[in-house]
Amino acid sequence: GAGVSQTPSNKVTEKGKYVELRCDPISGHTALYWYRQSLGQGPEFLIYFQGTGAADDSGLPNDRFFAVRPEGSVSTLKIQRTERGDSAVYLCASSLGLAGANEQFFGPGTRLTVL
Amino acid sequence: QKEVEQDPGPLSVPEGAIVSLNCTYSNSAFQYFMWYRQYSRKGPELLMYTYSSGNKEDGRFTAQVDKSSKYISLFIRDSQPSDSATYLCAMSGRGSTLGRLYFGRGTQLTVWP
Repeated sequence: GAGVSQTPSNKVTEKGKYVELRCDPISGHTALYWYRQSLGQGPEFLIYFQGTGAADDSGLPNDRFFAVRPEGSVSTLKIQRTERGDSAVYLCASSLGLAGANEQFFGPGTRLTVL
Repeated sequence: QKEVEQDPGPLSVPEGAIVSLNCTYSNSAFQYFMWYRQYSRKGPELLMYTYSSGNKEDGRFTAQVDKSSKYISLFIRDSQPSDSATYLCAMSGRGSTLGRLYFGRGTQLTVWP
């Protein structure tokens, strides 16, 4: 595909459940980023990968959140024991190299609702 | 205090108006400055990118960065209804700010015909 894709586009779950959100970056992009956007707010950084390793995970709010990128392409954001406060749009982005000098291309997001 | 401050608006202008959007920031490590446009239920898309201080023009859009004041602006000339969206400022830099983007909360703009 031409752009960053994210699945599912919408996810409704119950409090306490486990969810996985998937991101397919643009082919050839080595850097991958996860952000969370709450209603009426700008995206907030969660974690980014350079290749397979997490280069900066300082934005993950607590140990219920975890992300992997085992082969340096697709990434999965995992949330355990979901809480109502986790409801937000989760955005994934990718770039050719580290952002700043390189443009981050965003996917459409996964809208997570925790009931 | 957040590292990037942006007035959320909303801002409503008639077609053809000049729009001015602004952000302030506190971290002097920021050196890459961006404006993203986000339509409803879509991901942000890059509109303008500026490195360090100065001006950059692209069609109807002009981005300005004043690092001495820690202030960035986006001007939209001859605004069109299709410009109606949320505009997000974002920045990145060196050291601990490398790689990740720091966003403002976004300004919601409506251009009415």
